[in-house]
Amino acid sequence: NAGVMQNPRHLVRRRGQEARLRCSPMKGHSHVYWYRQLPEEGLKFMVYLQKENIIDESGMPKERFSAEFPKEGPSILRIQQVVRGDSAAYFCASSPPAWDGHYNEQFFGPGTRLTVL
Amino acid sequence: GESVGLHLPTLSVQEGDNSIINCAYSNSASDYFIWYKQESGKGPQFIIDIRSNMDKRQGQRVTVLLNKTVKHLSLQIAATQPGDSAVYFCAETYSGYSTLTFGKGTMLLVSP
Repeated sequence: NAGVMQNPRHLVRRRGQEARLRCSPMKGHSHVYWYRQLPEEGLKFMVYLQKENIIDESGMPKERFSAEFPKEGPSILRIQQVVRGDSAAYFCASSPPAWDGHYNEQFFGPGTRLTVL
Repeated sequence: GESVGLHLPTLSVQEGDNSIINCAYSNSASDYFIWYKQESGKGPQFIIDIRSNMDKRQGQRVTVLLNKTVKHLSLQIAATQPGDSAVYFCAETYSGYSTLTFGKGTMLLVSP
């Protein structure tokens, strides 16, 4: 069973361009989470999605950032008009559906390192 | 508030020593805690978890201790090996809420 896959692993963009980050969850996982990590800091939650639904986007910046998890295909984190402050590692995690309110382990992908020039 | 640009706390140990990494969590409602290991250039890797109805849980070479009174979590690694060198993060969440809140991390350096 392949793990969580993210691509590209490294992405370089100039200020004002768009960045698209892709995440394919583990087989059987219907929940996807996106986190951002600045250098020498912990991961910060951005958005939680299930197929075709955004469940919690409380960690997403209000402008320029959007996420989707379509019925078919990977989850996409999209950053429009990137600025230097968007440079970070972006991690995707997936989990199976939770049950009885219990927590299910999140499995993390290798991340996409975005550099904005 | 958060501090940006500070170096991670670092714990340096010799191979074979026992290591203890500490974490203070913030939300008294949190009832599930996880330790992750992150090697350079990789995503976080699950090490061990503990629920709030326990105060200790053991795995292979690792032990997690939970003190809910002072909202403190620790990770003990026995007989530390060079391969244990990484950044270690604690994370918290609570039942019915799926997202994780991560601590700032501790870098563990193991010298042969």
